[in-house]
Amino acid sequence: GQNIDQPTEMTATEGAIVQINCTYQTSGFNGLFWYQQHAGEAPTFLSYNVLDGLEEKGRFSSFLSRSKGYSYLLLKELQMKDSASYLCAVRDHGNTNAGKSTFGDGTTLTVKP
Amino acid sequence: DVKVTQSSRYLVKRTGEKVFLECVQDMDHENMFWYRQDPGLGLRLIYFSYDVKMKEKGDIPEGYSVSREKKERFSLILESASTNQTSMYLCASSLRSGLALDTQYFGPGTRLTVL
Repeated sequence: GQNIDQPTEMTATEGAIVQINCTYQTSGFNGLFWYQQHAGEAPTFLSYNVLDGLEEKGRFSSFLSRSKGYSYLLLKELQMKDSASYLCAVRDHGNTNAGKSTFGDGTTLTVKP
Repeated sequence: DVKVTQSSRYLVKRTGEKVFLECVQDMDHENMFWYRQDPGLGLRLIYFSYDVKMKEKGDIPEGYSVSREKKERFSLILESASTNQTSMYLCASSLRSGLALDTQYFGPGTRLTVL
C-alpha cells in the first residue's frame, strides 16, 4: 500500500512563491502526480514525475526524489486564482494495478492580496 | 479533450434505497475509477476497472459494487444506501500505457445525500 503525507493548509501572498511538500512510503512506485482542485470542482492534472529531478511547466514546477520518498510542487508568481486544494498522488506498479493511484488528503492553499 | 461525465451533479436518496451512479468517458480509456471525497479524509478509492467486465476493490469497497459492461461506462451501485455514504463521488478514467499520458481525468462529481 501507499502512505502519503502533505500539509493540510498553507497561506501565501499574491505574487509570492510557495512550495507544497509531499512525502510518501510505498510498496511500489510508478510515478507521482500533482492535481489542482478548486472548491466544488473536479481535480485537474498539473504535473507528473517518474524520474528524479525538476519538471517545469510555466509558473508551476514539480520535484521528485525517489530515494527520499519526497516531492514538492512549486508555484511562482502566485495569483488569486491559485487558491485551491493541491493533491499529491502516487501511482502503483503492477499489471492490473498499472493505473491505480493513491491520493494524499490535499493541501488547501489560500492566496491573499 | 477528454470528457468524463457523471449522470447527476446532486442526488438525494433515502436510507435503504438502491442507488446507481453512472459515469461515461469518451476517450476509449481502459482504466476507470470511482472515488469518494470527504472533508479531512481526502480522495479514497472505492473500486476501479482496468478492462470491460474486470473490476478490483480499492481501499473502501464495503457497501458498494460496480459494473463495467461497456468500455466507456462504469457504474457505481449502492445496494442499500446508508447515511454514512453521504459524500462527493468522483469518477475518473485513464489510459493504461504505463506512460506519463496516463493521468486520470475526472468527472464533475456527484454530491450524494442519504437521508
